[in-house]
Amino acid sequence: AQTVTQSQPEMSVQEAETVTLSCTYDTSESNYYLFWYKQPPSRQMILVIRQEAYKQQNATENRFSVNFQKAAKSFSLKISDSQLGDTAMYFCAFSGAGSYQLTFGKGTKLSVIP
Amino acid sequence: DADVTQTPRNRITKTGKRIMLECSQTKGHDRMYWYRQDPGLGLRLIYYSFDVKDINKGEISDGYSVSRQAQAKFSLSLESAIPNQTALYFCATSDTDPPGYTFGSGTRLTVV
Repeated sequence: AQTVTQSQPEMSVQEAETVTLSCTYDTSESNYYLFWYKQPPSRQMILVIRQEAYKQQNATENRFSVNFQKAAKSFSLKISDSQLGDTAMYFCAFSGAGSYQLTFGKGTKLSVIP
Repeated sequence: DADVTQTPRNRITKTGKRIMLECSQTKGHDRMYWYRQDPGLGLRLIYYSFDVKDINKGEISDGYSVSRQAQAKFSLSLESAIPNQTALYFCATSDTDPPGYTFGSGTRLTVV
């Protein structure tokens, strides 16, 4: 079974600064997908970024980028130029290539301070 | 209209009552999921379905049942609600290769 660990329950960052959220996972599968989801107070689950394990290049979406270290089973999210709208819960999630079931971490609550 | 619609959005029910949470989708995806979110625990999988005739238990299925009435509809039932089933419930769908997941807006259920 897969496990996903987010070791930072809460974090804060000053507006316009950069913050990194940590995620580690454990799996015996060789092909899989990793995700970061954002959940603002509206409670909607919003996909931030997706990484395919077979791709060595780190995924990037505008101000959001990941540092994917496959050997270390680490998948951190970097948010640059933090904005007040980035305040939310962030969940790291894993999906095996064959199972398609998402396994989530417990989340990191990020607060962006003006 | 939303791609994945959950009803009701909020619900308060009494201990011992039967309750059904409904989910419908317009994505055309075969795969559908029910998750439960509790503070500090993230989202955990209750049931999932890969097509109308394929329904599987997830990590925390005890006390829940599901029905896949059609490709587009997947309902979650609590036969006899108990207070520790108070949570935020999400329905989701996915396509494959690569998987893309679409979540509903959630149902906040309170059992008193």
